[in-house]
Amino acid sequence: AQKITQTQPGMFVQEKEAVTLDCTYDTSDQSYGLFWYKQPSSGEMIFLIYQGSYDEQNATEGRYSLNFQKARKSANLVISASQLGDSAMYFCAMLTLLRGNNRLAFGKGNQVVVIP
Amino acid sequence: DAGVIQSPRHEVTEMGQEVTLRCKPISGHDYLFWYRQTMMRGLELLIYFNNNVPIDDSGMPEDRFSAKMPNASFSTLKIQPSEPRDSAVYFCASSLESGGSTDTQYFGPGTRLTVL
Repeated sequence: AQKITQTQPGMFVQEKEAVTLDCTYDTSDQSYGLFWYKQPSSGEMIFLIYQGSYDEQNATEGRYSLNFQKARKSANLVISASQLGDSAMYFCAMLTLLRGNNRLAFGKGNQVVVIP
Repeated sequence: DAGVIQSPRHEVTEMGQEVTLRCKPISGHDYLFWYRQTMMRGLELLIYFNNNVPIDDSGMPEDRFSAKMPNASFSTLKIQPSEPRDSAVYFCASSLESGGSTDTQYFGPGTRLTVL
């Protein structure tokens, strides 16, 4: 069974600074995808970034980058130059890339508050 | 492009009443997912469809819950009779199926259900 662990307590981040959100996962599968979603206080779930297990380079998407360390089974999200609008819950998720299996396993989330 | 559309956005009902939640996936997406989010249990997958066919309903809590997808552009999640413990945010999500980043699930805005 897949398991996603996000254990950091709520974080306060100074505006314009970088923040790293930890995510570790447990799987015996070789082919999988890792996702990060943002959930602001308004409630919607917003897709941020994707990393495939066979991707050799870390994924980047604007101010978001994923620090993927396959051997350590970690997929940390880095947000550079934090903005007030980055205040939200952030969820890490994993999907095993087998045909017929589309179950996303979610972590419990990391709370981030950006302060001016 | 329109994202996933859900209605209603908010629903308040009394215990014992029937509740119907609606979802329109992103056009062209083959997969549709229903999730429930609570503080206690986080995000739970209830059921998902592939090409309108239910594939995995193991997350459906009990017989009071049912989901249908009569065509590629519409799905419903019905609770009958509703109970206070069903109070949660219900998300609908959709995705393509080709492996890799196209497995990304895009979420609707959610329906906040309150059962009194």
